[in-house]
Amino acid sequence: GAGVSQSPSNKVTEKGKDVELRCDPISGHTALYWYRQSLGQGLEFLIYFQGNSAPDKSGLPSDRFSAERTGGSVSTLTIQRTQQEDSAVYLCASSIDGGPYEQYFGPGTRLTVT
Amino acid sequence: DAKTTQPNSMESNEEEPVHLPCNHSTISGTDYIHWYRQLPSQGPEYVIHGLTSNVNNRMASLAIAEDRKSSTLILHRATLRDAAVYYCILRDVAGGGADGLTFGKGTHLIIQP
Repeated sequence: GAGVSQSPSNKVTEKGKDVELRCDPISGHTALYWYRQSLGQGLEFLIYFQGNSAPDKSGLPSDRFSAERTGGSVSTLTIQRTQQEDSAVYLCASSIDGGPYEQYFGPGTRLTVT
Repeated sequence: DAKTTQPNSMESNEEEPVHLPCNHSTISGTDYIHWYRQLPSQGPEYVIHGLTSNVNNRMASLAIAEDRKSSTLILHRATLRDAAVYYCILRDVAGGGADGLTFGKGTHLIIQP
């Protein structure tokens, strides 16, 4: 079946511009996660959605980052006024539910801020 | 999530078994042991997870020590495609998923042909 998809696969933007990254989770998965991986760094958890519930935003690196999930399915991660340190691969994962269940990751969006 | 310790890198030969160790001496009773791997230029891929008993699936086996303070991921017959960074992660079921996965540096597995 279809896995987690993300778009775009690559995004180059100028410093100061806003960007939107999209994630389509596996159908039926209620839990959705965003992570980022900077060059040579480990994966950093950003935010978690469970169904239609409001997410805990405390893991987002700054107030320039926001995320939403419409209808309990597709999610968008928005970065406003991008900075060079935002350059990273942004990964989305979904799971059948929260808790101990395995997460399925998408291929990621590589963001480059020039 | 509790901390795990893994070797930075390991090397093995193709078609031989590989045993990847993980220490988690501060594991709590509600922590599941998860393994993920990340192939070059790809997102992480789930491998296996367990709580107390050893687990087997089509990809690997997970051997969990009786005191749960360590575990070993076993690839029964390594192929070149298994070359990746392997992450051992503790997942507290009490967290309900809200804390995401905490990835450490993992073990870089090198497979020699």
